[in-house]
Amino acid sequence: DIQMTQSPSSLSASVGDRVTITCRASQGISNYLAWYQQKPGKVPKLLIYAASTLQSGVPSRFSGSGSGTDFTLTISSLQPEDVATYYCQKYNSAPLTFGQGTKVEIK
Amino acid sequence: QVQLQQWGAGLLKPSETLSLTCAVYGGSFSGYYWSWIRQPPGKGLEWIGEINHSGSTNYNPSLKSRVTISVDTSKNQFSLKLSSVTAADTAVYYCARGFLRAQSIAARPLGYWGQGTLVTVSS
Repeated sequence: DIQMTQSPSSLSASVGDRVTITCRASQGISNYLAWYQQKPGKVPKLLIYAASTLQSGVPSRFSGSGSGTDFTLTISSLQPEDVATYYCQKYNSAPLTFGQGTKVEIK
Repeated sequence: QVQLQQWGAGLLKPSETLSLTCAVYGGSFSGYYWSWIRQPPGKGLEWIGEINHSGSTNYNPSLKSRVTISVDTSKNQFSLKLSSVTAADTAVYYCARGFLRAQSIAARPLGYWGQGTLVTVSS
């Protein structure tokens, strides 16, 4: 099975900073990669699908890129409401594995 | 507005069978991917399995021998059964729907989620 590895596992940044999270697949998955945001105590929310397409209603400060095995989620200007754990998920084939998550905090 | 509402027993003893149901309101049931995901306390998300528009299922290999996902289209519901539970199965369980109605894997990303059900396994 394909493994999904996120880095870093956690980060702390200041409001307004540019934040980048990386997700690496152990084998190529084309662009079948989604990103989710899970705020503390809340249900996960779909942010990005097809590696780079923003889900409707998601702020434009979020962006995604990558294809094959290496993907990134970028928050161009970190806001207090972005405090959350972010997960990538592959969906080219089962199992639809999640990365282990990246916890984003405000410094 | 699509809503997923889930329910089931919250406290189980080891060796019992976990059973959860997810009902869909405000949207079509056919033509989507339907998944179950779980999250142990303080840990990350684990995909359990899915059932698609044609009734085909896929399961996480680590749980495959114990998992059954089924659909009742007449009630707009789908269900999860996990047999022979242990303390390691203690988690919040979520049902979720693919974000797009399409007969394609591109429709798999999970755009709608249930509220989550905490299932605790303890003797």
